[in-house]
Amino acid sequence: GENVEQHPSTLSVQEGDSAVIKCTYSDSASNYFPWYKQELGKRPQLIIDIRSNVGEKKDQRIAVTLNKTAKHFSLHITETQPEDSAVYFCAASKRGNKLVFGAGTILRVKS
Amino acid sequence: DTAVSQTPKYLVTQMGNDKSIKCEQNLGHDTMYWYKQDSKKFLKIMFSYNNKELIINETVPNRFSPKSPDKAHLNLHINSLELGDSAVYFCASSQEFAGEQFFGPGTRLTVL
Repeated sequence: GENVEQHPSTLSVQEGDSAVIKCTYSDSASNYFPWYKQELGKRPQLIIDIRSNVGEKKDQRIAVTLNKTAKHFSLHITETQPEDSAVYFCAASKRGNKLVFGAGTILRVKS
Repeated sequence: DTAVSQTPKYLVTQMGNDKSIKCEQNLGHDTMYWYKQDSKKFLKIMFSYNNKELIINETVPNRFSPKSPDKAHLNLHINSLELGDSAVYFCASSQEFAGEQFFGPGTRLTVL
C-alpha cells in the first residue's frame, strides 16, 4: 500500500522567512496530494491540494510543487507569519483508495 | 450551520467501560470516516463508510464498532476501553471517496 514520509518533523523559522516541507510517496499511481493545517487544539483543515496532471499550484503565500518522477511533493510558505504556526500534514491517494497521511510537521514561526 | 459535528468533545472514563462518540454532517456528503490521532499527532484512518456501507476497515481491534444509521451520521462505539485507546478521535466527511476531508472538532478520549 501507499507510504508517505514527511520531513522535517519540526521546523522553526523567523517571521518573514520562507518555510518548506517535503513529502515522498511510494505508489506511483497516486494522483491526489492535499495538505492540511492543524492549529493547536483544532481540527485539520485543507489549505491546498494538487493533482498529478499539474506540477505546481499557488494560493497567495502558499504553493505546492509535485515531482512525479521522483515521487515527491513540497509545501512552500512565503513571508511566514505567527499565525502560520501549526502542524502541517501532507497526504496522498489514488483513485478508489484511502488518503494516507504523513506524520506531520510542527512549524513554529518566531516573531 | 456546523458542517461536521461530534459529541462529546471530551470523554474521560475508566478502563473496561463502554463508550460511544456520535458524528453528524450536514454537507450532503456520501462518505464519512473515523480517524485516530495519537499523542504524537499521527493521523490514522480507522473506518470509512460510503452511503451507509463499510468500505474501509483498517486493522482496528474488534472492540471498535462503527455504525451508520444513515449517510449523514457515523457513530463509533468502543467496548472494554483500554489505556492505549486514549487519543483524539476525528470524524470526517467528503463528497468523493478520499477527496477533500471535512473534519469534525474531535473528541478527546482519556482512559484512566
